[in-house]
Amino acid sequence: QMQLVQSGAEVKKPGSSVKVSCKASGGTFSSYAVTWVRQAPGQGLEWMGGIIPILGTVTYGQKFQDRVSITADESTGTAYMELTTLRSADTAVYYCARPLVGARDYYNYGLDVWGQGTTVTVSS
Amino acid sequence: DIHMTQSPSSLSASVGDRVIISCQASQDINNYLHWYQHKPGKAPKLLIYDASRLETGVPSRFRGVGSGTNFSFIITSLQPEDVATYYCQQSFTFGQGTKVEIQ
Repeated sequence: QMQLVQSGAEVKKPGSSVKVSCKASGGTFSSYAVTWVRQAPGQGLEWMGGIIPILGTVTYGQKFQDRVSITADESTGTAYMELTTLRSADTAVYYCARPLVGARDYYNYGLDVWGQGTTVTVSS
Repeated sequence: DIHMTQSPSSLSASVGDRVIISCQASQDINNYLHWYQHKPGKAPKLLIYDASRLETGVPSRFRGVGSGTNFSFIITSLQPEDVATYYCQQSFTFGQGTKVEIQ
């Protein structure tokens, strides 16, 4: 069974960038998309974007498309999410997740495998 | 963009009660509707996918019904371990969440 293991907690200054990694183990990485979801304190879940590693195809959520970059390294089975120009409102737990189905319209499918979450704190 | 409206935002019920959460889409979403359970400090857990399909290993007291634009998530007999926030999801959008508590 595939597992997704994320990098550790980060503390960042406003205006800086953060890059979170998500490493897959125990399953096929490239043929499935990797999606990023975040939850700010007291808020709901937000879909940030996703990538199909084998195609390099990336889709970004409208709210994040100016500041987020999602990449993947097939050789290491790792996906990355970089968020730039950080502000206090970006303080959140960031999750990577894999959809049930390996398809081009992966965003239509439920997310059945999740990373453990990475806490990013933005504070001066 | 498709807008999702989830209700109620919170509810309190007794152990053994039937609990219903609703999710309405602004347009037909072809049953691409999924339900998650989220407990503090843990990753969300997929319970129901494609509106009514029970994820492997999920207890049968969790059900999903609906089609088109109107969907419901049902806990047929609420258990103490079901205390959590529940979200619907359609594509790029999550519902606002429903916090379920035991009274």
